Amino acid sequence: GEDVEQSLFLSVREGDSSVINCTYTDSSSTYLYWYKQEPGAGLQLLTYIFSNMDMKQDQRLTVLLNKKDKHLSLRIADTQTGDSAIYFCAESIRQLTFGKGTKLSVIP
Amino acid sequence: EAQVTQNPRYLITVTGKKLTVTCSQNMNHEYMSWYRQDPGLGLRQIYYSMNVEVTDKGDVPEGYKVSRKEKRNFPLILESPSPNQTSLYFCASSWGGATQYFGPGTRLTVL
Repeated sequence: GEDVEQSLFLSVREGDSSVINCTYTDSSSTYLYWYKQEPGAGLQLLTYIFSNMDMKQDQRLTVLLNKKDKHLSLRIADTQTGDSAIYFCAESIRQLTFGKGTKLSVIP
Repeated sequence: EAQVTQNPRYLITVTGKKLTVTCSQNMNHEYMSWYRQDPGLGLRQIYYSMNVEVTDKGDVPEGYKVSRKEKRNFPLILESPSPNQTSLYFCASSWGGATQYFGPGTRLTVL
């Protein structure tokens, strides 16, 4: 079955890098996603990676995919207070399956 | 502007009083879905629709109905709401079930 796991909380200092980790179980996932949810708002697609890629970089965001270990990570460089949010990892086969979300707190 | 809209954004109701949450998208997406978000449980899919008149159950469909009579609209119907349906609801749409665009959410409280 499909299952996506991520740690629930992460706290970093402003200016440091944040790394949010995610593991998934279904190796047939086509795409893997990172969504961001700010307080009181809906989910915003941050970035995604196709399953045949190892890495994708988009400005301050770096996504790493280890297919062998079924591990996905999101690195946010130079983390700012505006990055404080809940980050959801999701895998897509027939439909999206989400992790429970990692709440990122940025300490000024 | 490409968007997914939901109405109402906030709703407080009582047990057993039928309600409908509307969802509309202007991107001509074929795929639409409904999720509920609960603390500690993340997002769980309620129903999804691959196209007009094609709907299917997600992970938690009990107590909900949907319809897809037009491509742009995908209403969520609670025929007899109960307190355990108090939640934050999101509608989403996409071309093929992959990259999904989410609405702003509807916070429902059932007393």
